Amino acid sequence: GAVVSQHPSWVICKSGTSVKIECRSLDFQATTMFWYRQFPKQSLMLMATSNEGSKATYEQGVEKDKFLINHASLTLSTLTVTSAHPEDSSFYICSASKGKTEAFFGQGTRLTVV
Amino acid sequence: ELKVEQNPLFLSMQEGKNYTIYCNYSTTSDRLYWYRQDPGKSLESLFVLLSNGAVKQEGRLMASLDTKARLSTLHITAAVHDLSATYFCAVVTSYNTDKLIFGTGTRLQVFP
Repeated sequence: GAVVSQHPSWVICKSGTSVKIECRSLDFQATTMFWYRQFPKQSLMLMATSNEGSKATYEQGVEKDKFLINHASLTLSTLTVTSAHPEDSSFYICSASKGKTEAFFGQGTRLTVV
Repeated sequence: ELKVEQNPLFLSMQEGKNYTIYCNYSTTSDRLYWYRQDPGKSLESLFVLLSNGAVKQEGRLMASLDTKARLSTLHITAAVHDLSATYFCAVVTSYNTDKLIFGTGTRLQVFP
């Protein structure tokens, strides 16, 4: 099977600081990775599509300067929440795609900004 | 713009009963997924449906797809408590992509 590892699983940070979340495909090369955000009792909302070696494509309403995405290799994408505020507290989930087959999800990262 | 709606949003049902969750989507798509999410956890893939008339079954869950009606169903047979979770359908936004738009989710609670 395809394994996607997300790190950390949960993080608490102070308001105004930045937090980096990693998404790794452990046993396959992922040409594309996706970042989703999920607020409590709500569905997953796509934030951005990350392609290796190129700039991420952000969904409407997502601030690209606040949510920095880097996809430096075929197995690693990172999401950095800059100058985090309490309203950024959420569950962030990544998925990695091998191609037009199926995307595999990471374990998720619960971010709490205090 | 692709929209995906699920019905119902919340379902409380007794063990042993049957029920169906519905997923409607607004534009054509070549793949539809069903996922399960337990509280505080990520997504567990249940089914992927690729073609009109596709039907897949795993244990007490059966999923089907009608691409003409843009409708998928997730049928629960003889529910047990272990099935309590939130269920999402998700549809790819276009061909040659794994970019997904998720449904609103159905929170299922099975009680004795």
